[in-house]
Amino acid sequence: AQTVTQSQPEMSVQEAETVTLSCTYDTSESDYYLFWYKQPPSRQMILVIRQEAYKQQNATENRFSVNFQKAAKSFSLKISDSQLGDAAMYFCAYRRKEYGNKLVFGAGTILRVKS
Amino acid sequence: DTGVSQNPRHKITKRGQNVTFRCDPISEHNRLYWYRQTLGQGPEFLTYFQNEAQLEKSRLLSDRFSAERPKGSFSTLEIQRTEQGDSAMYLCASRDNYGYTFGSGTRLTVV
Repeated sequence: AQTVTQSQPEMSVQEAETVTLSCTYDTSESDYYLFWYKQPPSRQMILVIRQEAYKQQNATENRFSVNFQKAAKSFSLKISDSQLGDAAMYFCAYRRKEYGNKLVFGAGTILRVKS
Repeated sequence: DTGVSQNPRHKITKRGQNVTFRCDPISEHNRLYWYRQTLGQGPEFLTYFQNEAQLEKSRLLSDRFSAERPKGSFSTLEIQRTEQGDSAMYLCASRDNYGYTFGSGTRLTVV
């Protein structure tokens, strides 16, 4: 079974600074998807960024980028120029590509942004 | 269609009572998922529908839980004889080829 581990229960960052959230996963599959989701307090979960395992290039979405290390099974999220609105719980998630119908989530990292 | 809608947003029930939650997915999405999220944890998969067919169920889904998706549209999740351990946020998501869209969830409190 696939597992996702987020080793940082909580992180803090100063507004306008950069922060990196860590994620490792375990799988025997060679092709799969990885995701970062953001869940603000009492609000719905939204997709931040997605990475396909067969793509070597790291995904980027504006201020959000990932460092995907397939051999190390590591998938970290970098948030540049942090904003107050980035404060939320962030979840790393995995999905198999073939017959992959469910997301497997990590336990999450609470990100606090200080003004 | 503005997204995935879940009702009710909050439900408080007494132990032993039955509860039912509803999820209305994005109409173009034929895949629908239920997850359970306890405080401070990531969501855990419960079950998955493709159209009206329930294709996968987690071991977390005990015989007190049942989910349906009649006609492949909205879905309901029923919990019978609720227990305090059922207290959680129940999330619904629907999916297209790009990704998942989550609803805001139904928070269940069993007292």
